[in-house]
Amino acid sequence: GEDVEQSLFLSVREGDSSVINCTYTDSSSTYLYWYKQEPGAGLQLLTYIFSNMDMKQDQRLTVLLNKKDKHLSLRIADTQTGDSAIYFCAEIEGNTGKLIFGQGTTLQVKP
Amino acid sequence: EAGVTQSPTHLIKTRGQQVTLRCSPISGHTSVYWYQQALGLGLQFLLWYDEGEERNRGNFPPRFSGRQFPNYSSELNVNALELEDSALYLCASSRIKGGQPQHFGDGTRLSIL
Repeated sequence: GEDVEQSLFLSVREGDSSVINCTYTDSSSTYLYWYKQEPGAGLQLLTYIFSNMDMKQDQRLTVLLNKKDKHLSLRIADTQTGDSAIYFCAEIEGNTGKLIFGQGTTLQVKP
Repeated sequence: EAGVTQSPTHLIKTRGQQVTLRCSPISGHTSVYWYQQALGLGLQFLLWYDEGEERNRGNFPPRFSGRQFPNYSSELNVNALELEDSALYLCASSRIKGGQPQHFGDGTRLSIL
């Protein structure tokens, strides 16, 4: 079945750039998403990219999509301590309404 | 614009009991989705409702059920609670089924003793 994989942990210094990577298997996914989860909270939609795009930029966030390699990345510029959270990559499974999530990447930002 | 709202925020139940969780979608959204986030199991899709109908169901036993009301709000019911049902239950909504991004609420934390 469809699967989404992420590395589990990333540690960066405040002010550096963070890059969180994700691979997915469903080549028919129309949209790919990045969500953020802070402790004790729900999921916050950060950004999403349509499958016919290569790149999307939104303020400090840059999403890169390589459809050939089924690789998605999220770059956070000038990472702040408030960016510390778990970041989930997700793909939508066809027309089922089902989001398939990766395991989540814990981003630790050191002052 | 108000986001997705869920109630209650926390709930403690014992094995064998039944529970009802509630979700109000963003105004204008007709689709509601339910997910379970259990420790060690990640985020798992439970149910999708659109226009009052169940459109899809994840790999969960029948004791997990729900419904969507004419105002698009939704309930998730879990019968015969088991210890492994302890989890964060997240509700999401979207404007158009399937393609639009799903926006999530803050969830209901269910603990089974």
